[in-house]
Amino acid sequence: GQQLNQSPQSMFIQEGEDVSMNCTSSSIFNTWLWYKQDPGEGPVLLIALYKAGELTSNGRLTAQFGITRKDSFLNISASIPSDVGIYFCAGQRNAGNMLTFGGGTRLMVKP
Amino acid sequence: DAGVIQSPRHEVTEMGQEVTLRCKPISGHDYLFWYRQTMMRGLELLIYFNNNVPIDDSGMPEDRFSAKMPNASFSTLKIQPSEPRDSAVYFCASSFPVDRGAGNTEAFFGQGTRLTVV
Repeated sequence: GQQLNQSPQSMFIQEGEDVSMNCTSSSIFNTWLWYKQDPGEGPVLLIALYKAGELTSNGRLTAQFGITRKDSFLNISASIPSDVGIYFCAGQRNAGNMLTFGGGTRLMVKP
Repeated sequence: DAGVIQSPRHEVTEMGQEVTLRCKPISGHDYLFWYRQTMMRGLELLIYFNNNVPIDDSGMPEDRFSAKMPNASFSTLKIQPSEPRDSAVYFCASSFPVDRGAGNTEAFFGQGTRLTVV
């Protein structure tokens, strides 16, 4: 099963609202990644974080790598209908490239 | 680049039949991963390869599952015999190590194969 705790499991929001989701782990990860999965498609990388404390933006998306290296959050500002999907966090401990995924946050946006 | 290519996109088979899923990674990527996604268990890593060599297959559920990577541009995941509980979406992903001081990676996923075993 997953070793990353991702919350919330689902969100139903109004278009234009901001969204925040996070992942926590009991152990350290050296890389945090955030993916989005549309229905019937594979996960697509949104943001990659490589340093503790790093704050990175990609358009309306902002993600941070927690200073303890045990957590990360993703914020989406001014949500739009096409933001609908499942968002996954993923962590990597060491070189070797294995990713551990969170359980996902299902985002629904009401126009 | 065409991205990671998986085939078939959908597979419906009867219990007991052999199923083979195929993957073509992105050219130049030397890591290849097979994941399984279900509602109950989310995304699970089954096995991954580096330079065509299996590195960790601890996620493979049981002996009915096997994976091969005969060359850098092709991998298969085989289930024999298949069972209804194998029904899931199977993803292949590939990556190259992006050296940022900690052996980090950015995995790129295919569109998946939705397997239904009846």
